[in-house]
Amino acid sequence: DQQVKQNSPSLSVQEGRISILNCDYTNSMFDYFLWYKKYPAEGPTFLISISSIKDKNEDGRFTVFLNKSAKHLSLHIVPSQPGDSAVYFCAAIIAFQGGSEKLVFGKGMKLTVNP
Amino acid sequence: DTAVSQTPKYLVTQMGNDKSIKCEQNLGHDTMYWYKQDSKKFLKIMFSYNNKELIINETVPNRFSPKSPDKAHLNLHINSLELGDSAVYFCASSHAGVHGYTFGSGTRLTVV
Repeated sequence: DQQVKQNSPSLSVQEGRISILNCDYTNSMFDYFLWYKKYPAEGPTFLISISSIKDKNEDGRFTVFLNKSAKHLSLHIVPSQPGDSAVYFCAAIIAFQGGSEKLVFGKGMKLTVNP
Repeated sequence: DTAVSQTPKYLVTQMGNDKSIKCEQNLGHDTMYWYKQDSKKFLKIMFSYNNKELIINETVPNRFSPKSPDKAHLNLHINSLELGDSAVYFCASSHAGVHGYTFGSGTRLTVV
């Protein structure tokens, strides 16, 4: 049961243009969403997050948009740079009673930014 | 200076063997995790420990036994390895109230 879905396996954009990475989710209990970036042979690194009570969070070139009614979020990278080429994972947090929480990942999407 | 370090980085072993993967974090985080990235690239949580106490166990076969000697370490021991255990295993840690997890660089386990 895939609760976080990244339906496009890859995206290729030109340097300087916008990259838009999409993510859909099915569980309305998710209360926090994150994007992770992963280079080959390295672990995922945290990029940006958004609380379920917000619809936008911006950090430099990275902006995450959340549409709760559509259960959809997207990551915008503007302007895209060759160093942004990596696999991007969408993830969501579900919290449990007692304070524990679980991070649920999508399948990842490979972004290639061409010089 | 690595924040979350895992050893070994690569592990090739035969079916039926028992192996361990070690993880250490120097961030002072109170929660540690093991994630498995399978051949379909899904990253799935296996275990979560908070201050040495198991808090999440995601229906992982009991051939997998995590051990947390202290809150800076979470080791993963796997008995009777099977072909399907081949995957990349990531250790991660987090601090209460902070949602961004810090991941190790992964251990690629290949069972032959």
